[in-house]
Amino acid sequence: EAGVAQSPRYKIIEKRQSVAFWCNPISGHATLYWYQQILGQGPKLLIQFQNNGVVDDSQLPKDRFSAERLKGVDSTLKIQPAKLEDSAVYLCASSRPPQGGKETQYFGPGTRLLVL
Amino acid sequence: AQKITQTQPGMFVQEKEAVTLDCTYDTSDPSYGLFWYKQPSSGEMIFLIYQGSYDQQNATEGRYSLNFQKARKSANLVISASQLGDSAMYFCAMRGPRGGYQKVTFGTGTKLQVIP
Repeated sequence: EAGVAQSPRYKIIEKRQSVAFWCNPISGHATLYWYQQILGQGPKLLIQFQNNGVVDDSQLPKDRFSAERLKGVDSTLKIQPAKLEDSAVYLCASSRPPQGGKETQYFGPGTRLLVL
Repeated sequence: AQKITQTQPGMFVQEKEAVTLDCTYDTSDPSYGLFWYKQPSSGEMIFLIYQGSYDQQNATEGRYSLNFQKARKSANLVISASQLGDSAMYFCAMRGPRGGYQKVTFGTGTKLQVIP
C-alpha cells in the first residue's frame, strides 16, 4: 500500500510570510496527526484528527497555526504569519483503529521548513 | 500528564554487539501503550516495536525486544546483533489512555552509532 504522502518536502520562507503543508494519509486510516520536530528534539503533537473532527489540538499555537481535514482524508497545515522559531520538520502520520490494543502510526517523509 | 524520559543523548555500540536504549515514563493512567521508533538521517520515522501496559510478556520484533518493567516504569529497547544500518535516532513514545482520544508523547531521543 502507498505510504503517507507529504508536500512540499522543503520550504524556505521569510518571517511574517505564510506557508501551507499538505498531507495525504494511507487509504482507510481514520486518524491523522501533525507533529512539529525541532532539530535535536522529539516530535511534538500539534493536532490530531479522527476522520474530519479534531481530537486534540492542545499544543497547536492557534494564533498562527491552523489545520483542516476536509472530507476526512487529506489535511492541510497552515502557518500565518511564520516566525523564526517555526523552523522545524513537520511530520504527518496516520493510523487505523487499534488491533489488539496496538495502534501503529505511519509517518510521512516530513516537510523541512526554514524561516529566515 | 504523561512524560517520557530518554537520558542517553548518544550511544556507541560495536557492530554485532547488543545495545540497550533506556526509556522511563510517567503516567497516572493504568492503560497505555509504549512505542519505539527509529529515525535515520533521511528523516522518516519507522515503527519498531509496541508494548501494551497490560501485556504479560515483553514484546519482540526480530532483533528488537522491549524490556518492560512496569513497576519501575521503564521500557528499554534492546537491539541484538547491531548492524551498521542501525545507526539512527531512536525515540520512545507513549500513548494513553485507552478509550476516548489517545494522546501521544515522544521522548527527546537517543542517537545510536554503530561502529564497524
